[in-house]
Amino acid sequence: KQEVTQIPAALSVPEGENLVLNCSFTDSAIYNLQWFRQDPGKGLTSLLLIQSSQREQTSGRLNASLDKSSGRSTLYIAASQPGDSATYLCAVRGNNNDMRFGAGTRLTVKP
Amino acid sequence: DAGITQSPRHKVTETGTPVTLRCHQTENHRYMYWYRQDPGHGLRLIHYSYGVKDTDKGEVSDGYSVSRSKTEDFLLTLESATSSQTSVYFCAISTHSNTGELFFGEGSRLTVL
Repeated sequence: KQEVTQIPAALSVPEGENLVLNCSFTDSAIYNLQWFRQDPGKGLTSLLLIQSSQREQTSGRLNASLDKSSGRSTLYIAASQPGDSATYLCAVRGNNNDMRFGAGTRLTVKP
Repeated sequence: DAGITQSPRHKVTETGTPVTLRCHQTENHRYMYWYRQDPGHGLRLIHYSYGVKDTDKGEVSDGYSVSRSKTEDFLLTLESATSSQTSVYFCAISTHSNTGELFFGEGSRLTVL
């Protein structure tokens, strides 16, 4: 069974700092990996989708990398802003339409 | 905006009563999913659908049933709600089962007293 782990569980940084969120998974036989953000009381917003054949994806200040062989993905956020404060979740899609989610990293960006 | 609407957004009900949550999409996507989100457990798949009248169980399907009579609607039914089904329920859609991006609705908060 695929296990997805996100470390740290919570992170607090000053505004303007560059930061990295980590996601690890136990089974490297994946189709894709997706990063989401979730604001309190809201649904999940898709940030980036990386297919298994890709190494990274970029969207604005966000860059996600994927190393399937080591079972790791990172989400890099450049020049963080208070509006980036949210919970960030990664999810891994394996076989049989099974998408497994990490518990998330709660990010706080202080002005 | 992925065009997903969930209803109701909030519901309080009593143990033993039936509850139906509705997910409506405007994008005509084939794949639809129901998840629940609980502290300490994260997001877990309840049921999913890969077409009209084609559904399958997820990780935590006990106590839930689903129906999909039209492409745009996916219903989640709790035949007899229990307190352990108090949760936030999310509907999601995908363009493809294995490689498509997943898009979520805003969630339905259910409280079973």
